Amino acid sequence: GESVGLHLPTLSVQEGDNSIINCAYSNSASDYFIWYKQESGKGPQFIIDIRSNMDKRQGQRVTVLLNKTVKHLSLQIAATQPGDSAVYFCAENIGTGNQFYFGTGTSLTVIP
Amino acid sequence: DAGVTQSPTHLIKTRGQQVTLRCSPISGHKSVSWYQQVLGQGPQFIFQYYEKEERGRGNFPDRFSARQFPNYSSELNVNALLLGDSALYLCASSSIGGYPEKLFFGSGTQLSVL
Repeated sequence: GESVGLHLPTLSVQEGDNSIINCAYSNSASDYFIWYKQESGKGPQFIIDIRSNMDKRQGQRVTVLLNKTVKHLSLQIAATQPGDSAVYFCAENIGTGNQFYFGTGTSLTVIP
Repeated sequence: DAGVTQSPTHLIKTRGQQVTLRCSPISGHKSVSWYQQVLGQGPQFIFQYYEKEERGRGNFPDRFSARQFPNYSSELNVNALLLGDSALYLCASSSIGGYPEKLFFGSGTQLSVL
């Protein structure tokens, strides 16, 4: 079956450093991926997405890398700020409408 | 512009009761999806509706049902509540339903079953 997993459940970084959050997926048919940020008491907030025909996509301070060979996804956050502290989820879609599979999440803590 | 709105924000029920959760999508969005998020885990897909028709169903028992109205709002119903149904129920909307696209989530309804 499909599974989305994260390598590290928690991550602590110094303010101003870059953060890298990793995600492994098991379904080679997955063709669309989204990174979400979830703060306490709130719903997941869209950060960035990438389709399987791309290897890299950049947004404002964030970059997503997709390695289809090893079924690995990463989220890079540049110059991490205290407001980036949250739980980050990767979600995969295997092309069946808008049904996404979410991983357990990585808790990012930014140390001032 | 208003985002996805959900009501109520919190709800306490007892085992065996029934609950109805409501969701209004972003204006112009025609697809609504429901997810269950248990504490410490990622959201798990329950249903997707598009143009009032069910387009997908996750691995949940028949106690869970949903519907979408002509104005694209949606309700999630859960019958015969169990303790294990305690979770954050998230609604997400997207503009179309037949092609994978970004989902925009509401803040959720926190359901506690006692």
